[in-house]
Amino acid sequence: QQQVKQSPQSLIVQKGGISIINCAYENTAFDYFPWYQQFPGKGPALLIAIRPDVSEKKEGRFTISFNKSAKQFSLHIMDSQPGDSATYFCAARNTDKLIFGTGTRLQVFP
Amino acid sequence: NAGVTQTPKFQVLKTGQSMTLQCAQDMNHNSMYWYRQDPGMGLRLIYYSASEGTTDKGEVPNGYNVSRLNKREFSLRLESAAPSQTSVYFCASSVGQGAHLALHFGNGTRLTVT
Repeated sequence: QQQVKQSPQSLIVQKGGISIINCAYENTAFDYFPWYQQFPGKGPALLIAIRPDVSEKKEGRFTISFNKSAKQFSLHIMDSQPGDSATYFCAARNTDKLIFGTGTRLQVFP
Repeated sequence: NAGVTQTPKFQVLKTGQSMTLQCAQDMNHNSMYWYRQDPGMGLRLIYYSASEGTTDKGEVPNGYNVSRLNKREFSLRLESAAPSQTSVYFCASSVGQGAHLALHFGNGTRLTVT
């Protein structure tokens, strides 16, 4: 019940396309859902986050869509760029822990 | 600002050896965390410290100990390294006390145990 299931494991997108990464959870006590971006050899960096009382949050080309009833949330990257090539992790938080998904490796080709 | 600094960047140990991974943050954050990252398993919390003087176990604490030396520093110790501890270790910090929100990560220590 503490798991966060992330898909796909890897994603290849052409420049200018839309990248979509999905996550699902079971524990309804989760109250904060961040996405982290990680480049090779670096630590993850917070990209965008959402609370469950909001269905969508947009920051530039990055959007989180949140479906509370389905217990799913997704990251959409519009106009994907080669510089977006990285590994993306979703996560979900309850009071004393942050549970990460297993990651999606995104490659954006020119 | 350096953010979160981890040392060393790389380390190779033999089974049974001990070592301490160092972490320091200069953002005046209250909480600090140690995660390990393994292929296909995401990041898993080893220990965290919600404030200076407190530490709590995460998902995978066995084989590790931690010390919150002061507000800036949080170290992770492997007393008797095992091949299963081969991993990339990340230290992180955040403003709130134990809130697990908006984590700032270091660039990791890549540890190999032979």
